[in-house]
Amino acid sequence: DAMVIQNPRYQVTQFGKPVTLSCSQTLNHNVMYWYQQKSSQAPKLLFHYYDKDFNNEADTPDNFQSRRPNTSFCFLDIRSPGLGDAAMYLCATSSRGGMETQYFGPGTRLLVL
Amino acid sequence: GNSVTQMEGPVTLSEEAFLTINCTYTATGYPSLFWYVQYPGEGLQLLLKATKADDKGSNKGFEATYRKETTSFHLEKGSVQVSDSAVYFCALSGGPNTGFQKLVFGTGTRLLVSP
Repeated sequence: DAMVIQNPRYQVTQFGKPVTLSCSQTLNHNVMYWYQQKSSQAPKLLFHYYDKDFNNEADTPDNFQSRRPNTSFCFLDIRSPGLGDAAMYLCATSSRGGMETQYFGPGTRLLVL
Repeated sequence: GNSVTQMEGPVTLSEEAFLTINCTYTATGYPSLFWYVQYPGEGLQLLLKATKADDKGSNKGFEATYRKETTSFHLEKGSVQVSDSAVYFCALSGGPNTGFQKLVFGTGTRLLVSP
């Protein structure tokens, strides 16, 4: 089945140690998104790629970066994780933006020690 | 800007009870409306959607009707099951010919169904 895959499902890192989360998709969608979701809250959009065009949300900290080497893969890099960055990170895709449905991966839960 | 307001939870029901989760929105034009469900420890799954006024989205016994006159998209199910326990998010995104607009979520409503 076509899907959005996130690895790993759980990631433990140390305070200040760079960490990379990965997302892949078999849907061949143009748009890939990264969301941060903290407990009991709605997902918060960090940034998205429309094809190769990167679009950062205005309130996304510089500590968060992303790479999309090809259509299928997208990475979230946290350069110096702080305790406040512990959260669920969700990747999603859509064929275009706007009214198109977004398809979510299962998420990666990040723990910062 | 666009926004979504959901009823606060948790909503606690017994199995086979009727469910309503209210959702209202503020948006210009004709947004698309969505309900996503999130089971514990998992990502969001699309439950249903509607893209124009008076459309009814339905899936797995859940229904929601796009009401432009009341700017609402309430989620209903006639008989809930324990397995429906999850967090439900109402969301909207821009309508056609509005360019790229991100998905705007409500705060989520936790549903707890007891046997």
